[in-house]
Amino acid sequence: GAVVSQHPSRVICKSGTSVKIECRSLDFQATTMFWYRQFPKKSLMLMATSNEGSKATYEQGVEKDKFLINHASLTLSTLTVTSAHPEDSSFYICSASTGTSGNNQETQYFGPGTRLLVL
Amino acid sequence: DAKTTQPPSMDCAEGRAANLPCNHSTISGNEYVYWYRQIHSQGPQYIIHGLKNNETNEMASLIITEDRKSSTLILPHATLRDTAVYYCIVRVVGYQKVTFGIGTKLQVIP
Repeated sequence: GAVVSQHPSRVICKSGTSVKIECRSLDFQATTMFWYRQFPKKSLMLMATSNEGSKATYEQGVEKDKFLINHASLTLSTLTVTSAHPEDSSFYICSASTGTSGNNQETQYFGPGTRLLVL
Repeated sequence: DAKTTQPPSMDCAEGRAANLPCNHSTISGNEYVYWYRQIHSQGPQYIIHGLKNNETNEMASLIITEDRKSSTLILPHATLRDTAVYYCIVRVVGYQKVTFGIGTKLQVIP
C-alpha cells in the first residue's frame, strides 16, 4: 500500500513553545490530508481536513489559531501546535487520500503518528 | 457516514481464523465498507474495503452480506502480531473524512 510518513515521531517541548509536525505522502500525491489526535485508550478524533492550496477545514471545537495547518504541496502537510500547553499532549496522526483513479476507489493511508509531550 | 457497531473485544487462538463482525444496518447504496487496524502506539493500517462483493487480499478477506447490513473481516491464520484494535468504517469514497468508532480489540492468544 501507499506510504505516509510523519516527522518527528516523538517530541517533548516546554509549555508556551510551538511545535511543527510534518506529514508526507511518499509515493503518491494527496490533494487532501487529514489530521487526527488520539488520547490514551480512546479512538482517533478528526481535527481538520487539509486541502492543497486552500485553507483547512476544522472540526467543531478545534481552534484553528491553535492548530495551524499548511498544505503547501501535493505531498506535504504540516500541523503546528502553537503555544503548546500540557493539555495538548497527545498522539497526533495524519492521513492522506489517494484520490480516485480509474476503477480504484479512494483510500486513506495513515502516518505512524507523532507523540507530543508538553511539559 | 453510516454508524457501525462492533463488539468491544474478542480473543482468538494463534493459528486459527479470526472473524470480526460489524453491523452497519443504515448503510446507503454508495457507501463502501472499510477496515483498518491500529497496533498499539502506531497509526492505523489499511486492511481492505468493499462495496457489495466479497473481497480478498494478502492480509484478509471481507465478507459482506447480500443486504449489506453487516460484514465480517476474516484473518485466516491469526498471529500474535495481529493483536490490535480493528475498526470497521462505512463511507462514501472521495475526499471524505474517516470517522472512527471504538473498534474491536482483538487479542491473539498463544
